[in-house]
Amino acid sequence: LAKTTQPISMDSYEGQEVNITCSHNNIATNDYITWYQQFPSQGPRFIIQGYKTKVTNEVASLFIPADRKSSTLSLPRVSLSDTAVYYCLVGDSSTLTFGKGTMLLVSP
Amino acid sequence: GAGVSQSPSNKVTEKGKDVELRCDPISGHTALYWYRQSLGQGLEFLIYFQGNSAPDKSGLPSDRFSAERTGGSVSTLTIQRTQQEDSAVYLCASSQLGQVRGEQFFGPGTRLTVL
Repeated sequence: LAKTTQPISMDSYEGQEVNITCSHNNIATNDYITWYQQFPSQGPRFIIQGYKTKVTNEVASLFIPADRKSSTLSLPRVSLSDTAVYYCLVGDSSTLTFGKGTMLLVSP
Repeated sequence: GAGVSQSPSNKVTEKGKDVELRCDPISGHTALYWYRQSLGQGLEFLIYFQGNSAPDKSGLPSDRFSAERTGGSVSTLTIQRTQQEDSAVYLCASSQLGQVRGEQFFGPGTRLTVL
């Protein structure tokens, strides 16, 4: 069961790039790494998923080193509306595990 | 377009009573998940249904918790003899593929308060 560790909180300003790192030292061969975003009083929303190397979509990039023991979610040019909790999820065919989440606060 | 819906949105009950929470997944999604989120905490996996396979119940915290999925669609999570520590937001999600590889679409959750 792969556990994840993320920073509890991060602060940023509008227009900056934000990088959130998740550690998952016990990641298994079959595990994928997925990131979700959650606003207050809402369910989480999928951001990006990857297995290795780099994945990019219209919202974010995900960097995964060769050993896959960590991953970094990169949000380019954040805005106030990016203020939310970001979860790192690592899982396989067994119990899913969400990290504690990182509370990102974007200020003007 | 219909997303994942959950009912009720809020439920207040007395300690010792049974409650039923309902989840309507996105049509055609084969996988359905239940999570629990306590105030200020992350998501705790409870149970996972995939197609007609036996559900993965490994996350259920006690035998007071049970869930079923009828006809591969609607799911109900039942909590018997509720306790105050059961107070939380219960989230349901569905996906097209099984487990982590498929994007999970979450419902708005049911906020359960046990007095």
